[in-house]
This record gives sequence, C-alpha cells and structure tokens, in this order.
Amino acid sequence: DTGVSQDPRHKITKRGQNVTFRCDPISEHNRLYWYRQTLGQGPEFLTYFQNEAQLEKSRLLSDRFSAERPKGSFSTLEIQRTEQGDSAMYLCASSLLALGSQETQYFGPGTRLLVL
Amino acid sequence: GENVEQHPSTLSVQEGDSAVIKCTYSDSASNYFPWYKQELGKRPQLIIDIRSNVGEKKDQRIAVTLNKTAKHFSLHITETQPEDSAVYFCAASNGPSGGQNFVFGPGTRLSVLP
Repeated sequence: DTGVSQDPRHKITKRGQNVTFRCDPISEHNRLYWYRQTLGQGPEFLTYFQNEAQLEKSRLLSDRFSAERPKGSFSTLEIQRTEQGDSAMYLCASSLLALGSQETQYFGPGTRLLVL
Repeated sequence: GENVEQHPSTLSVQEGDSAVIKCTYSDSASNYFPWYKQELGKRPQLIIDIRSNVGEKKDQRIAVTLNKTAKHFSLHITETQPEDSAVYFCAASNGPSGGQNFVFGPGTRLSVLP
C-alpha cells in the first residue's frame, strides 16, 4: 500500500450532475497530481499542485473541471455538468519534490466514474 | 511537448521466457524514466526507474536500459512468472518541473502463459 487514498472508489451519476472526488496524499508529499485513465490507455495528466498552489492544468481540462488543494494536504476534483465522455478512472498521485532528488509519483487506487 | 510511444501493445510469453518492452520519447530534455505495473482494477505501481546519467539499472529479474542518443528505453523481465501478467506503462519526465512534462506511454499488456 503506497499510502495515497481516494474516495469514493466508484461513482455512478446521471449526465448533467456534478461530482466531487477526494484524494489524500502521502502525508509528507508536497506535490499532488490528478490523471484520467480510460480503458487501454495510460494515465493522462489533468492538473497538479505544489503545496496549495495549482501550478499547471492540461489543455484537455475543460471549464467544467476544477481542482483544489486548500491546505496543501488533501485535494478535491470536481466535475460539473457531467457528460458521458467523462466516464473514466480518475487517478491521484503524490510525490515529494526535494532538492537534489528525483520525484517519484505514487498512485492512489483511483475513482472509477460512470456517467449514464 | 513530450510524446511517448510504447511497443508492443500486447505481448504473450511462456513462463520462464524473457519479455522486452520498448519506449521512445521525443523531448531530449527528459531525464527521468519510470516504469509502472498495473494489474487489473488496481493502481499503477512503480517497479523500476532510471535517470539519464546511467545507461542501465537492474533489480532482480527486472532491468531497464536507456539510450539517450536514440531516445529510447526498454524494460526487460527475465524468468517471467504468471504474476508478471499486467499492463506495463513507461513514462518520461524532464525533471522537477513535473506536470505535463510527466508523460505516460499507452501501455503494454503482458500475458505470461503457464
């Protein structure tokens, strides 16, 4: 167990509804990443935080997606007005960026979203 | 931006044989290359990684080689076992900048036949 946890593990929602996912990183990790993974593909970057600052967002991330990490610990990913194309596994990863060392990302178990 | 390709997409080997998965990357600034194993329904798990200042790294039955000139790196699994069956992802990163510079390949589904 890598220590990254995500909640919920599964979510089924109707098109047009809003959903929110939570990620709790490994406690001393200062970086937190969100990825989306569809069947048969590798994880696709969405956004990442260093402490509480959101440093980068993918061009693939539409305005319906928003992420926060208010206290530099847990993070939430919200999808508004969900669409069937949002159905995927949403993975969170955390890492420790420290001077002189290479960051290694550790993944959570993911939240599988199904939009009907 | 970085682009990572991975081959083959599927690989079947007999138990005890070796398996090799190859990835190519486009950004010559990339300097960190991890490999992740993902079993069905589970999270990706880091199995080995290599930095651009070395050409090879080995950990028991798993090894990774890096050719910076050709911009490709490979995962080698020897004496394969049924529990090695999973999807393997390579990734490339150009260091602490993270974010979109941490790019994954599309994955290789490895099946080890008993």
